[in-house]
Amino acid sequence: DIQMTQSPSTLSAFVGDRVTITCRASQSISRWLAWYQQKPGKAPKLLIYEASSLESGVPSRFSGSGSGTEFTLTISSLQPDDFATYYCQQYDSYPKTFGQGTKVEVK
Amino acid sequence: EVQLVESGGGLVKPGGSLRLSCAASRFTFNTYSMNWVRQAPGKGLEWVSCIGSSSNYIYYADSVKGRFTTSRDNAKNSLFLQMNSLTVDDTAVYYCARDRENSHGMDVWGQGTTVTVSS
Repeated sequence: DIQMTQSPSTLSAFVGDRVTITCRASQSISRWLAWYQQKPGKAPKLLIYEASSLESGVPSRFSGSGSGTEFTLTISSLQPDDFATYYCQQYDSYPKTFGQGTKVEVK
Repeated sequence: EVQLVESGGGLVKPGGSLRLSCAASRFTFNTYSMNWVRQAPGKGLEWVSCIGSSSNYIYYADSVKGRFTTSRDNAKNSLFLQMNSLTVDDTAVYYCARDRENSHGMDVWGQGTTVTVSS
């Protein structure tokens, strides 16, 4: 199985900060990676697919990059609505696997 | 609006069984592969199973293989998860989620249904 490792586990930031989350795969997954945002008590929301494609309706301050084994999610200017937990997920092969999550909290 | 609504969760004793349902609406259900994803209390997301649009393939996480069975009824726009031999480790919120076209991520999620396994 492909293991997905996110860093950091927790990130403290101010509104307006540029935030970067890293996701590493235990083997190459080409560009078959998605990013999700989840708020407490709510279902996850798809932000990015195929490593860098923005899902419809997602603000352009979110961007994704990477290929192979290393990927990043960047929020260019953190907004109050962005404080949440973020997960990466590979869909190169089954079982699909998620990273452990990165909680973005108010500094 | 495209919608998924799960049902069937509840409290069950270890060793027991439960069947979850997911009702889809406002999209062409029989053209999408579907997933079950779960989240234990205070933990991260865990993918459970995926079924092809015509049930042409079904995959499971190792943690549920042999105990859980995923199925669908395209005539009724419904997805199911039959869970047997439940353990306390299966306690979680269970989400159904639609695969985006070409299976690039999961773009539509239900609100989740809670399964609690406890004696």
